[in-house]
Amino acid sequence: KAGVTQTPRYLIKTRGQQVTLSCSPISGHRSVSWYQQTPGQGLQFLFEYFSETQRNKGNFPGRFSGRQFSNSRSEMNVSTLELGDSALYLCASKGAQSANSPLHFGNGTRLTVT
Amino acid sequence: DQQVKQNSPSLSVQEGRISILNCDYTNSMFDYFLWYKKYPAEGPTFLISISSIKDKNEDGRFTVFLNKSAKHLSLHIVPSQPGDSAVYFCAASGIGNEKLTFGTGTRLTIIP
Repeated sequence: KAGVTQTPRYLIKTRGQQVTLSCSPISGHRSVSWYQQTPGQGLQFLFEYFSETQRNKGNFPGRFSGRQFSNSRSEMNVSTLELGDSALYLCASKGAQSANSPLHFGNGTRLTVT
Repeated sequence: DQQVKQNSPSLSVQEGRISILNCDYTNSMFDYFLWYKKYPAEGPTFLISISSIKDKNEDGRFTVFLNKSAKHLSLHIVPSQPGDSAVYFCAASGIGNEKLTFGTGTRLTIIP
């Protein structure tokens, strides 16, 4: 079974631009979550989608948004990029079989804002 | 407000010995706890989990202990191997809540 796939692996953007990151979950997984990892803050929860609906949202500004498609693939968008948005963005998926089941992460997209 | 804390940023252990990684939490609503391992340039890999109805869960060389009264969990790796060198994150979630709250990680180095 293929794992969680994130594209692209690396991105360099300029302040003020916007960026879209893509995530394909494990086949059959309907829940997709996004996390931001920075050296100082660790992994911070951005949002979670299930069946095309956002179920949970973290404490990030409105510049961070996402969506999920009918095939469970998800995209995350960051508008008006700031230097502090430089981070590793991780997508994770989860099967819906059990409330207590682990998230499975992709290898992330490394975003650098200059 | 750091609800999940890993107070040791780094830990070095001799190969073959036991590695013990610790994690404390403050939110009494957490009921599911996980450990992840992360190599550079890769996403976190799930290792082992435990629900609040248990106090111990074992999987091969990995054992997680949960002390609910102390709001403390630990991961034991026995015996430690060089491939275990990585950053380890503990994480927690609440009932019916898909959001994971992560600690800041402990870098484990296994010395051959």
